[in-house]
Amino acid sequence: DAMVIQNPRYQVTQFGKPVTLSCSQTLNHNVMYWYQQKSSQAPKLLFHYYDKDFNNEADTPDNFQSRRPNTSFCFLDIRSPGLGDAAMYLCATSREGPQPQHFGDGTRLSIL
Amino acid sequence: GENVEQHPSTLSVQEGDSAVIKCTYSDSASNYFPWYKQELGKGPQLIIDIRSNVGEKKDQRIAVTLNKTAKHFSLHITETQPEDSAVYFCAARDSSYKLIFGSGTRLLVRP
Repeated sequence: DAMVIQNPRYQVTQFGKPVTLSCSQTLNHNVMYWYQQKSSQAPKLLFHYYDKDFNNEADTPDNFQSRRPNTSFCFLDIRSPGLGDAAMYLCATSREGPQPQHFGDGTRLSIL
Repeated sequence: GENVEQHPSTLSVQEGDSAVIKCTYSDSASNYFPWYKQELGKGPQLIIDIRSNVGEKKDQRIAVTLNKTAKHFSLHITETQPEDSAVYFCAARDSSYKLIFGSGTRLLVRP
């Protein structure tokens, strides 16, 4: 049974048109992460939530925002997608501390 | 900050042979080292992990070793099968909270 669920699996948007990706979890983990993964590269952390506390990585563009309305759900908003934002976006969850991160299967975003 | 190097970038083995992937890390405060398997079109799946107070851990055909002094850790897969073909990532949890990933190893198991 999927424990970290990402919707949609594939998303196509137009250059500059806002897009929202969603993630839900059934693990009741208090930490949720968003990663960007480009072809043949390792996942790159964009930001994470520790409960409701938002933590942005220093090199995450301002174009990327996130919301976590409750423990189970987290959203990634890309305000004005550029061609360089085409990638796989991965959501992950974990308990606090040195614990495993559990990944969803990602949303592959294409920009026209 | 933490830096993780992973080798080799590609690895091709015959079915039934063993595969070894090696990673080194730079932050001596890193205390948690997971390994992920990523199949095409899927998210990374945790296959094994090890904490800094343990030198070796085994789960059926998969084992991980950690040498804290040398700051390196390795993944060992024995009796490889075609379904082991995937990209494997090592990672280290640094002194903050982040997982720092290696660059990945594409493993091909030839039938």
